[in-house]
Amino acid sequence: QKEVEQNSGPLSVPEGAIASLNCTYSDRGSQSFFWYRQYSGKSPELIMSIYSNGDKEDGRFTAQLNKASQYVSLLIRDSQPSDSATYLCAVSRGGDMRFGAGTRLTVKP
Amino acid sequence: EADIYQTPRYLVIGTGKKITLECSQTMGHDKMYWYQQDPGMELHLIHYSYGVNSTEKGDLSSESTVSRIRTEHFPLTLESARPSHTSQYLCASTPPAGETQYFGPGTRLLVL
Repeated sequence: QKEVEQNSGPLSVPEGAIASLNCTYSDRGSQSFFWYRQYSGKSPELIMSIYSNGDKEDGRFTAQLNKASQYVSLLIRDSQPSDSATYLCAVSRGGDMRFGAGTRLTVKP
Repeated sequence: EADIYQTPRYLVIGTGKKITLECSQTMGHDKMYWYQQDPGMELHLIHYSYGVNSTEKGDLSSESTVSRIRTEHFPLTLESARPSHTSQYLCASTPPAGETQYFGPGTRLLVL
């Protein structure tokens, strides 16, 4: 079992729809959780971090964390073609960060 | 956000050559990392450093070496490049007491 697993994708949604990206992790001691976006040929860039159970909203993005279920998700509302990218889930414990393999999202106009 | 610089951005080199990929950050971040990533594939941690004179190997077996003589500088060296080293190399850093990793723009390496 990988330490950080993401839904395999690729995921395709129409423009304006909600895209839902999921991530599970194996280390119950994980404390910090991150979502990165990576455009093709570019480096990952941080979208959101979340540290407490519940939801955290930032514009069109909402991160959800459930530590009991060891589950993190990212919702993208009103998806735009510019959101087409690979989304990486990352989980950290004491500074030791583990990345998922990523989910490729395509938003179709 | 951190200012992280990587040079060169692109490198084409012949087999057997020695190369050094440069990574510098200007924010005084203590932790720095090197990742290798093939197109469309996941990130693999190859080296990391928690401060000056501290270097560790990551999860991916690598024929590269690193050094950390100055806080801001974390170069990666391949003593003898091979076609299997063809990949993208990403440098990242984390501020003191933080966990977020900030990535540089990457170096695309092609070994012929």
